[in-house]
Amino acid sequence: EDKVVQSPLSLVVHEGDTVTLNCSYEVTNFRSLLWYKQEKKAPTFLFMLTSSGIEKKSGRLSSILDKKELFSILNITATQTGDSAVYLCAGGGSNYKLTFGKGTLLTVNP
Amino acid sequence: GAVVSQHPSRVICKSGTSVKIECRSLDFQATTMFWYRQFPKQSLMLMATSNEGSKATYEQGVEKDKFLINHASLTLSTLTVTSAHPEDSSFYICSATRQGGGYTFGSGTRLTVV
Repeated sequence: EDKVVQSPLSLVVHEGDTVTLNCSYEVTNFRSLLWYKQEKKAPTFLFMLTSSGIEKKSGRLSSILDKKELFSILNITATQTGDSAVYLCAGGGSNYKLTFGKGTLLTVNP
Repeated sequence: GAVVSQHPSRVICKSGTSVKIECRSLDFQATTMFWYRQFPKQSLMLMATSNEGSKATYEQGVEKDKFLINHASLTLSTLTVTSAHPEDSSFYICSATRQGGGYTFGSGTRLTVV
């Protein structure tokens, strides 16, 4: 059975701090690793990673995949209160099915 | 960009009634639609996968007679929660894939059964 494990489950930081969120996966016929940000409603897409070692960046967010260690991290630098959300990691495998982790609840205090 | 329109966004229904949730891909053909359920403070759990014109594939533990999925066209998939009970109250969300990859999520439906 496919499995995605995220850590930590929750994190409280102050504005300006840098955070690193972790995601490990065991996914049969692995195709891609995706990161989403979820606030009140549907998840918002952040990154899709398919190749090992290539960092993807979007503003203060960046992510990288290690296919040898079955691991990905999401970095957020200079955090802002608007970054407060649940960050979900998902592994895409057979037939494009996504297996989600439990998420990391990030709280950024002013 | 690709958009999936999901309706209704919120529904309250009485126990024993049925509720239909629609997901429509607006500017692309959704070859596969995934239906997820999310309970409070939990992650998204895949319920079923449907391909246009064929029967849905349900995940273990999901009752196919209770959660009816129809994917009659490449732009429309529906989930009907039949004989809803309070324990079915949850956030339901669809996700569509298209040729070339990528996942597009609907905006979700919050179902409350009273």
